[in-house]
Amino acid sequence: EAGVAQSPRYKIIEKRQSVAFWCNPISGHATLYWYQQILGQGPKLLIQFQNNGVVDDSQLPKDRFSAERLKGVDSTLKIQPAKLEDSAVYLCASSLASVGGELFFGEGSRLTVL
Amino acid sequence: AQSVTQPDIHITVSEGASLELRCNYSYGATPYLFWYVQSPGQGLQLLLKYFSGDTLVQGIKGFEAEFKRSQSSFNLRKPSVHWSDAAEYFCAVAPGTNAGKSTFGDGTTLTVKP
Repeated sequence: EAGVAQSPRYKIIEKRQSVAFWCNPISGHATLYWYQQILGQGPKLLIQFQNNGVVDDSQLPKDRFSAERLKGVDSTLKIQPAKLEDSAVYLCASSLASVGGELFFGEGSRLTVL
Repeated sequence: AQSVTQPDIHITVSEGASLELRCNYSYGATPYLFWYVQSPGQGLQLLLKYFSGDTLVQGIKGFEAEFKRSQSSFNLRKPSVHWSDAAEYFCAVAPGTNAGKSTFGDGTTLTVKP
C-alpha cells in the first residue's frame, strides 16, 4: 500500500515569495491534516479536512496560509507571502476516519525562508 | 487545553541497554495518548496508543508504555535498545479519539552508542 506522498521535499525561498506544497493521502483516507513542525518542536496542527470540507482551520494563519482539497483527495498548502518564521517542515497526514483513526504521515516538505 | 512535556531533550544509551523516555501530560478528561517515532528525514510513525483498558500497552518494535493517571505520565520503555532505534520520539495527547487533534511534546532525541 502506498503511503502519504508529499512534494517537494525541500524548498528554499526568499521572504515575501510564495510557495506551495502538495500532498496525496493514502487511497480511501477521508481525513487529511497539515502540520507545521518547527525545528526542535513537535508538529502543530494547521488544518483538518474531511473529504473536501474544512473541519478545523483555527490554527491556520489565514492572512498568509491557505489550503484546499478540491476533489477530496489531493491537497495543496500555500504560503503567500512567506516570512522567516515560516521556516519549518510541513507534514501531511491522513487517516481513514477522524474518530479512532490512526494517523499516517508523509515524509514532509522542508521549507527554508531566507 | 491539553499539553505534553517531555523532560529529556536528548538521551544516550548503549546498545543492549534498557530505555525509558518520560512523558507527562495535562488534560482534564480521560486522555488519548500516543508515542510516535521520527527518523531523520521521515514522517512520524505510530509506536503505540492508549485510550482505555490495560494501562500497560504494547507497541511495535518491542516498545511498551505505561499509563499512570496518578502521575499524569505515559512513559515509553524498551528492555534492550538496538542501534536502529536511534531517532526522535514524540509523545502526544488528543482530546477524545481524534488523533489528528493531538498536542505533541517537543520530542526526545535518542542516540545509541555501540
